[in-house]
Amino acid sequence: QVQLMQSGPEVQKPGAAVKVSCKTSGYTFNIYGFNWVRQAPGQGLEWMGWISAFSGSTNYAQNFQDRITLTTNTSTNTAYMELRRLTSDDTAMYYCARASGTTSPGDLDYWGQGTLVTVSS
Amino acid sequence: IQMTQSPSSLSASVGDRVTVTCRASQGINTYLNWYQQQPGRAPKLLIYEASNLHIGVPSRFSGGGSGTDFTLTISSLQPEDFATYYCLQTYSTRGSFGQGTRIEIK
Repeated sequence: QVQLMQSGPEVQKPGAAVKVSCKTSGYTFNIYGFNWVRQAPGQGLEWMGWISAFSGSTNYAQNFQDRITLTTNTSTNTAYMELRRLTSDDTAMYYCARASGTTSPGDLDYWGQGTLVTVSS
Repeated sequence: IQMTQSPSSLSASVGDRVTVTCRASQGINTYLNWYQQQPGRAPKLLIYEASNLHIGVPSRFSGGGSGTDFTLTISSLQPEDFATYYCLQTYSTRGSFGQGTRIEIK
């Protein structure tokens, strides 16, 4: 069955960067893409960006354009999200979600369990 | 593209028929998905392309609409359906979610 397993919780200081991983199994990795979505405490869902595991093409939300990088590793079937220049407003649960289809964002059909990122001095 | 859900929350009883609405700020054809999120859990896909049930989703869930106005209907609420529901437009290359609708037990 399709599974997306994310890395563990992170605590980072303001100004630092965080890199979250999303290891997959149960399907052919490079014919799908990935979206990343975050959820601040008590808030709704916010779409951050998309990457094609086939081509490496990316598409980022305007809010994150200059400080986010999405990558994939087809050898380990893992997707990554790096967010730089963290502030307290970046404290949130971060989710990876598989993207069906070949264009951004696709249908987010299976999700990881989430990674809590806390930004605190 | 801005997505607006209504209501923001509602109270209902087991067995009730419930409808949630999502409105897009511009036409999005049928590029609209619905997700369910239970407290402390990741969202789950319920419906894609406005009206197609995802694998394993019970038939009491249904979706409709096209253009700018969409609905999610639960024909007979079950205890496990008390959760928050989000719409997501996938028409634009940059996705955007509605603010969510919380369904609570009356």
